[in-house]
Amino acid sequence: NAGVMQNPRHLVRRRGQEARLRCSPMKGHSHVYWYRQLPEEGLKFMVYLQKENIIDESGMPKERFSAEFPKEGPSILRIQQVVRGDSAAYFCASSIDGGELFFGEGSRLTVL
Amino acid sequence: GQQVMQIPQYQHVQEGEDFTTYCNSSTTLSNIQWYKQRPGGHPVFLIQLVKSGEVKKQKRLTFQFGEAKKNSSLHITATQTTDVGTYFCAGRAGGTSYGKLTFGQGTILTVHP
Repeated sequence: NAGVMQNPRHLVRRRGQEARLRCSPMKGHSHVYWYRQLPEEGLKFMVYLQKENIIDESGMPKERFSAEFPKEGPSILRIQQVVRGDSAAYFCASSIDGGELFFGEGSRLTVL
Repeated sequence: GQQVMQIPQYQHVQEGEDFTTYCNSSTTLSNIQWYKQRPGGHPVFLIQLVKSGEVKKQKRLTFQFGEAKKNSSLHITATQTTDVGTYFCAGRAGGTSYGKLTFGQGTILTVHP
């Protein structure tokens, strides 16, 4: 059973461009979480989704950020018009029942 | 909103010494989880505690959940260099068994051989 797959692992964008981060949960997992992490800092909750539904987006900035988890395909975290402050590691995690989270290896975004 | 605080932020120990990290929540938790993240890696689940006053052990690691379900601790006995990494606690608000999991800022453990 493959683990949580995130891609790309590394992404470089210039200010104003769009970043799309993908997350394929573990097989059978219907709960997906996105977290953001700055160097030597904790994991900041962004959004919690179940298939086709956003359950809790209380950690998502109101502008430029969006997330989806369609019926088919991976979950997508989209950042429009990136700024330097968006540079961070973005971790996706999945869960079968909302309990233990299985994390992907992260997508490291650098904004030039 | 719910806040989860962890202390200390950094801990340096000599190999063989014990290590403890503490976690406090601003609100009552339904459960608490602990994760370990190696440098450059991703968080890996260690354990979940659900019951008030619960104590669980995994080899040299001992996890406790406070009576009021607002605090927790992780104790490592006789640290080894393989214990290096950041230890995070993460809690869910009372009344929910799934949903938003709030992480503490982590304790970065360095073990000197």
